[in-house]
Amino acid sequence: KNQVEQSPQSLIILEGKNCTLQCNYTVSPFSNLRWYKQDTGRGPVSLTIMTFSENTKSNGRYTATLDADTKQSSLHITASQLSDSASYICVVSPPGAGSYQLTFGKGTKLSVIP
Amino acid sequence: DTAVSQTPKYLVTQMGNDKSIKCEQNLGHDTMYWYKQDSKKFLKIMFSYNNKELIINETVPNRFSPKSPDKAHLNLHINSLELGDSAVYFCASKGDSSISGNTIYFGEGSWLTVV
Repeated sequence: KNQVEQSPQSLIILEGKNCTLQCNYTVSPFSNLRWYKQDTGRGPVSLTIMTFSENTKSNGRYTATLDADTKQSSLHITASQLSDSASYICVVSPPGAGSYQLTFGKGTKLSVIP
Repeated sequence: DTAVSQTPKYLVTQMGNDKSIKCEQNLGHDTMYWYKQDSKKFLKIMFSYNNKELIINETVPNRFSPKSPDKAHLNLHINSLELGDSAVYFCASKGDSSISGNTIYFGEGSWLTVV
């Protein structure tokens, strides 16, 4: 069983609307959680990185939240744009290890339509 | 300027062939990686190189071998290609966390199709 589960698997929203993507993880102990955006045919690009002590981190219209007690994170996108159409990947890493121990979720595929 | 660049972007080859994918980063990072993304979109690490030393090698067949001529380059060699090797291969790099944080920068990917 994957230690990082994302939901929904895919999502379609209208341009201008908000949406929230979920990430549940069982990786323990836990050091930091990252959200990446992967456009079709491109490499993943980092959006946010949060340590276990942070509750929220924003990057423009992207806001990530973290609840280390429930082991849940969410990525909220406000005023969506067509360019937000991509896969969003949640990545968790344990403490004290190099990032080669990152655990990747399968991603949520977001489609923003006009 | 592209931070992490890899070539070729697309590669179609026959089973049994030997091929290489090149990767270069101009970020001055100490650690470089190769990831494989299969049809289910899972990203799985294959290799990690830090200052020219291999520090992790997940359960990857020995047909795959990383070659690092210097800190800025990490090439991936694949011998005797098999159909199951068809995937997207991503090169990535990360700097010293005390300086540049923990962000991992990915290349654009190399689409390998084995026929």
